[in-house]
Amino acid sequence: AQSVAQPEDQVNVAEGNPLTVKCTYSVSGNPYLFWYVQYPNRGLQFLLKYITGDNLVKGSYGFEAEFNKSQTSFHLKKPSALVSDSALYFCAVRDMRDNDMRFGAGTRLTVKP
Amino acid sequence: GAVVSQHPSWVICKSGTSVKIECRSLDFQATTMFWYRQFPKQSLMLMATSNEGSKATYEQGVEKDKFLINHASLTLSTLTVTSAHPEDSSFYICSARGQRGRSDTQYFGPGTRLTVL
Repeated sequence: AQSVAQPEDQVNVAEGNPLTVKCTYSVSGNPYLFWYVQYPNRGLQFLLKYITGDNLVKGSYGFEAEFNKSQTSFHLKKPSALVSDSALYFCAVRDMRDNDMRFGAGTRLTVKP
Repeated sequence: GAVVSQHPSWVICKSGTSVKIECRSLDFQATTMFWYRQFPKQSLMLMATSNEGSKATYEQGVEKDKFLINHASLTLSTLTVTSAHPEDSSFYICSARGQRGRSDTQYFGPGTRLTVL
């Protein structure tokens, strides 16, 4: 079965600095990888996904993520953080043969002015 | 991106009553819908998966007689919490995945906050 690890509960960065939110995964087949963001009392908003092709994926709001097969990672990045990026971020993985998506525990990103 | 709506966004009910939550995919046909539960400061826990026209598949530990799921059409799924109790209070989120180009991405509703008194 697939699983996802987000090793950091909390990430703090200063506005304007680059940010990275880490994610590693485990899946027996080929992975579909996703990042979602959740604001307080809201559902999840889709940010980006890796299905196949280019390892560097660009998504919404200036976010990008790099698929690294050898390290089984899919870290989320942004070159310059905004205070409005402060939210809860979830990494998710699905085996392409499977219906079931698994989520990481979430990382709370706080961007300070 | 695709739009998934949920209704109601919040509900408060008395213990012992039943509550129905609707989930609709507004601009695509959802062949598969998912229901999740989220406790404060925790990740999403998958409760069940439903395909249009067939019975839902429940995750281990989720009572199917308590959490009734109906996926009657390609745009609508409902979750009914029967005889709700305070421990059922939670944030319930639905998700939908469609067909033809939208089949690899799950889109999420805004969630429903259920409080059982």
